[in-house]
Amino acid sequence: GAVVSQHPSRVICKSGTSVKIECRSLDFQATTMFWYRQFPKQSLMLMATSNEGSKATYEQGVEKDKFLINHASLTLSTLTVTSAHPEDSSFYICSALDRGGTDTQYFGPGTRLTVL
Amino acid sequence: KQEVTQIPAALSVPEGENLVLNCSFTDSAIYNLQWFRQDPGKGLTSLLLIQSSQREQTSGRLNASLDKSSGRSTLYIAASQPGDSATYLCAPLGGGNKLTFGTGTQLKVEL
Repeated sequence: GAVVSQHPSRVICKSGTSVKIECRSLDFQATTMFWYRQFPKQSLMLMATSNEGSKATYEQGVEKDKFLINHASLTLSTLTVTSAHPEDSSFYICSALDRGGTDTQYFGPGTRLTVL
Repeated sequence: KQEVTQIPAALSVPEGENLVLNCSFTDSAIYNLQWFRQDPGKGLTSLLLIQSSQREQTSGRLNASLDKSSGRSTLYIAASQPGDSATYLCAPLGGGNKLTFGTGTQLKVEL
């Protein structure tokens, strides 16, 4: 089956630093990827849609200058949390859309970000 | 804006019981609906996907139904086992390939 990886799986950083999270589709090409955020004991909230070769589309209330998304290739999207603060601590999950017949989203294992 | 509610929020049952998890959504203009499982601190595992034209899907001890017009889906788990303990999320798929996730049902199956 289709596999999506995320790196790193866990990151701890100091307040004010920037953190980059990678999302890769390992065995299929994904022109569209999605980034979600999940706070403790809450559900997943869509942050943005990442489109290969074009700008990401952000959901209402998500700061595009805070959460930079780059979809540089058909298998890689990156989310950079700029000038991270403790309130950005969360579980970040990506998904990749496989348009090869089923239009199915495959999810990565998630990245736990802790900002001190 | 799609809103998805899952009931109950939490459920604790003895092993062997048959369970019904409920999901309701406000916008019936969906393409499909998925049920996911999430273990603590982990990512998502897709369990079942029901197309909007379908009424139900089955996989092993799991059966999911969809009533699109009334905005409801149920996940039926037969003969529950401790390994079924997890949070279950439903997510209808709307325009732009956007999934909207429900609030989740946290299930605990005890020996």
